[in-house]
Parts: sequence; C-alpha cells; structure tokens
Amino acid sequence: AQSVTQLDSHVSVSEGTPVLLRCNYSSSYSPSLFWYVQHPNKGLQLLLKYTSAATLVKGINGFEAEFKKSETSFHLTKPSAHMSDAAEYFCVVSAAGAGSYQLTFGKGTKLSVIP
Amino acid sequence: DAGITQSPRHKVTETGTPVTLRCHQTENHRYMYWYRQDPGHGLRLIHYSYGVKDTDKGEVSDGYSVSRSKTEDFLLTLESATSSQTSVYFCATGESTDTQYFGPGTRLTVL
Repeated sequence: AQSVTQLDSHVSVSEGTPVLLRCNYSSSYSPSLFWYVQHPNKGLQLLLKYTSAATLVKGINGFEAEFKKSETSFHLTKPSAHMSDAAEYFCVVSAAGAGSYQLTFGKGTKLSVIP
Repeated sequence: DAGITQSPRHKVTETGTPVTLRCHQTENHRYMYWYRQDPGHGLRLIHYSYGVKDTDKGEVSDGYSVSRSKTEDFLLTLESATSSQTSVYFCATGESTDTQYFGPGTRLTVL
C-alpha cells in the first residue's frame, strides 16, 4: 500500500522569495516519486521525478526536490518564486517497482505568488 | 503533453444519457489511463489499459467502462450519466508503468 500527504493545502509567498512545498509519502516498496504542476484550467505537467538515482532531483523552471528516505519526505523547493509559478502542485508516488500500474496522488498544494 | 488530445473538451449532458469521452495519443505509448479530478480528492484512477484490448479497473470504476481497440485511442463511457459523475476527466499515457503524461482534460457537467 502507498499514500501521499501534502502537508499544506495552500502556500503563499512573495515574488522573489523561496518556495517550499512539503510532501511525505508511505510505500511498501522502493518508490518512484514525482511532482506535477497544474495551471488553472490546464492539464498536469511533469516537473520532476525521482527513480532511485541521485537523491537531489532537478526539474524544469528552477524547481528541485530532495528524496529523504529516513524522513519519508520529498519536498519541492525553488530559490526564488516567479509570478508564473502560481499554480497547484501535486506530489505523486508510483509503485511500479512492485508491479503496480497505479499512481497515488496527494490532494494538492495551491501556490499563490504575491507581487 | 506527449501528443495527447481529448475530445470533447467540454460537455453538458442530462442524467441518464450515455456519454463517451475520447483520448487520442500520437506517441505509441503502451499504457493509457483515465482519471477524474474533484475538489478535495486530487486525481483518482478510473480505468487503465496496458495494451490493445487489455484493460483493468482503478480506484473509482463503478459506472464507467472503457475500450481500447487500437494503440492510439482509449475511450471512456458513462453508460447512464449521474450528477455524481460531474467532474474533470484526464487521460494519461506512458511507455512504462512509471512516468505518465497528461492530456488537457474534459470538463463534464451532468444536469
């Protein structure tokens, strides 16, 4: 069984300040982990993914995430927020390593960027 | 978006009518998925396909059926639409069971 908890449903930051979106996961197997972003009225776009290589993963648009097995966390960060980062972000865990087809999604964190 | 299109993009229908949503991909991906997105629930898997004519149920499959007669198309059918099926539906595809790429979504309203 696997689950994902996004610790904040809404995060608000000022433009130019750092972004931290928190995600904890639970998985019976070595997981693959993802962050997706969804802009209003759009589909989901893959930001980055972790698949048991380097624990610090770099994604698009300056985002990165660090896999911490001891803390079962996969937090998403960006050094400096831009207005275009305002969107909803989903942390996702895959149990593909266990032969499952299923992705498990967190409930999402809505990021607001204040000018 | 890995060359994924969904049709229609918006639909309003009445309770009890059948509805079919189409997902079309140009990436020749083996795996295809249908999700629904509802406030407070994130995305939930309805059905998925691991090859032509090979499909299986996801987390919220009741009231839905699917078909995949060729690699590029995955159809989702609501046999008799209900108001609880008002949602935004997303199709996703992938070459492996790991990374998935999402289409633009279909907004369905059942009156």
